[in-house]
Amino acid sequence: AQKITQTQPGMFVQEKEAVTLDCTYDTSDQSYGLFWYKQPSSGEMIFLIYQGSYDEQNATEGRYSLNFQKARKSANLVISASQLGDSAMYFCAMREGSEYGNKLVFGAGTILRVKS
Amino acid sequence: EAQVTQNPRYLITVTGKKLTVTCSQNMNHEYMSWYRQDPGLGLRQIYYSMNVEVTDKGDVPEGYKVSRKEKRNFPLILESPSPNQTSLYFCASGERLWPEQYFGPGTRLTVT
Repeated sequence: AQKITQTQPGMFVQEKEAVTLDCTYDTSDQSYGLFWYKQPSSGEMIFLIYQGSYDEQNATEGRYSLNFQKARKSANLVISASQLGDSAMYFCAMREGSEYGNKLVFGAGTILRVKS
Repeated sequence: EAQVTQNPRYLITVTGKKLTVTCSQNMNHEYMSWYRQDPGLGLRQIYYSMNVEVTDKGDVPEGYKVSRKEKRNFPLILESPSPNQTSLYFCASGERLWPEQYFGPGTRLTVT
């Protein structure tokens, strides 16, 4: 079974609107972490946000927030007030295990296109 | 400037010809890792290293070797490349795996 599932291959959003990118995960560990990375068309990988499984509050970084629903095993990325520069591929990823768990598993990604 | 560098950025080679992709970071990070990116599969971890002389397999280590003799360098070695290793390769480093890693610019490898 896939550990990280991103069900939306592609999404469109109007500039200045909010958009949610879906991510569900599968793990039996109690300690894990979830990441979102952005990959623009130029190809570089850019870290956006991180949520630990024991973090009580949803992570936020500027216009990015992670909607963490532990019981549903979902970690959706919410981008508020979309900008044209948000057009990119977005990857959800998970690390498992204890403090020393150092493997990272990525989802297949979601392509986001922001329309003007 | 804090950065992760990879060389070469582009490489076309033939089956069976040994090659090395270098990765270097100037941030004194302990954790380094290699990933390959293929369409529809996202990124998959090949190997990672938690410190000098400490390396471990990721999800797709077959056909690859790594070494970590110095903290700043983490080369990826393909001893006998095959066409199924044609991919985009990323090196990354961080204090540890989380909260974030810094990625290199990527190396696009084609094996014919």
